[in-house]
Formats: sequence, structure tokens, C-alpha cells
Amino acid sequence: NAGVTQTPKFQVLKTGQSMTLQCAQDMNHEYMSWYRQDPGMGLRLIHYSVGAGITDQGEVPNGYNVSRSTTEDFPLRLLSAAPSQTSVYFCASSYRRSGSPLHFGNGTRLTVT
Amino acid sequence: DQQVKQNSPSLSVQEGRISILNCDYTNSMFDYFLWYKKYPAEGPTFLISISSIKDKNEDGRFTVFLNKSAKHLSLHIVPSQPGDSAVYFCAASYEGAQKLVFGQGTRLTINP
Repeated sequence: NAGVTQTPKFQVLKTGQSMTLQCAQDMNHEYMSWYRQDPGMGLRLIHYSVGAGITDQGEVPNGYNVSRSTTEDFPLRLLSAAPSQTSVYFCASSYRRSGSPLHFGNGTRLTVT
Repeated sequence: DQQVKQNSPSLSVQEGRISILNCDYTNSMFDYFLWYKKYPAEGPTFLISISSIKDKNEDGRFTVFLNKSAKHLSLHIVPSQPGDSAVYFCAASYEGAQKLVFGQGTRLTINP
């Protein structure tokens, strides 16, 4: 009963390095999304996907890329890490794009020095 | 522009009493509202939702109230228990929207 699985749980990067945050769901959900959580800011949408091969930008997309080659996987790529990207990242999925609750992974805590 | 606002960063309530968490929104297109609960080192988990055709929805100890004219919703927890200590996020969406918009969160502490 995995639900949404995120890896890694923790990561430390140096400024300018790149990395990929992995997200996989086993619920056959069409809709997947990435949020970041920062103190006092709540959860802000980075990118989302309404199905395999379809992605779009959220509120704070700059510095991040996504792709959706399968229904199950939705990786988030940081192209050139910056200290402003220090945050906790959550992947989430739902059965459809609106009107159904999101199921979240347990997050990746990223620190960029 | 913060479309969904939770103006109380924290709330402390005695065990057994009622906890009331508040949320305001500005976008009149929102027609679906949710509350999520988050424990440390875990992802948010869905708690309860309400659509704009209703003004109240109950699920056990949890009740959500929606006042559309005031663009305000609240979550009532009765009676409050120590396991309710967590951060609570409200979120809003509308039919056809591609995303949920979240508030900043309220940290609820239940004191024994």
C-alpha cells in the first residue's frame, strides 16, 4: 500500500549543482503535482501534470523542470541549484485534476549551500 | 496575491475543548474547499472537504463550515485530543482549475 513515494528524503547540494527528485505513485492517478513548503508561505505549486506526456507550470516554476513519460512517475529536476531553492518538496497525486483530494508523499528536504 | 489566508499561525487548546481553525479566501470562483493535516516529517493528509453547494460538512469529530458571503471557512474539532496536534492547511479550488491553492497553515497544539 505504497501510495506516493518520494526519494530521497534528504539532500544537500552546493550552489550550481543539479539533481532530480523522484516521485512515483501506484494508484493509477491521472493528476500529479509538485509543491514546495516554506515557512509562512504554505504550499506553493511548482509544476503539475494531467496525464502522461502533459505538463504545465504552477505558481513558482522557475529553476525547475518536469516530465511525465509514464502515469506512475513524475520527476522534478533542479537545473542549477540556488540557495532560494532550499525547501521541503512534496509530490502529490489525485484521481482527477479538480474535485478530488490530493494524496501527498512524505517529502524531500533539500538544502542548497 | 495570497488567495487563501490563514491568519493565525498557531493555536493552543486544552484537551477536550473545541478547536476552531479559520481560513479566508478572496477568489469568488472557488467552489471546493479542503482541510489537510500535517505531522512533522510527513506529507499532508486529507481531512475533510466541502463544496460550495453546502454550508456544513461533518465527519466524526471534524466539522467544516462555509460562509460564502463572507468568503470564510472554519474547521471545528470537538473534542480536541492530543493526537490532533499538527499543522492544518486549508485549500481551495474550482471546477476546471488545475491546482489547489493552499493557505499558510495553522499549528494546533492540544494541551493535556
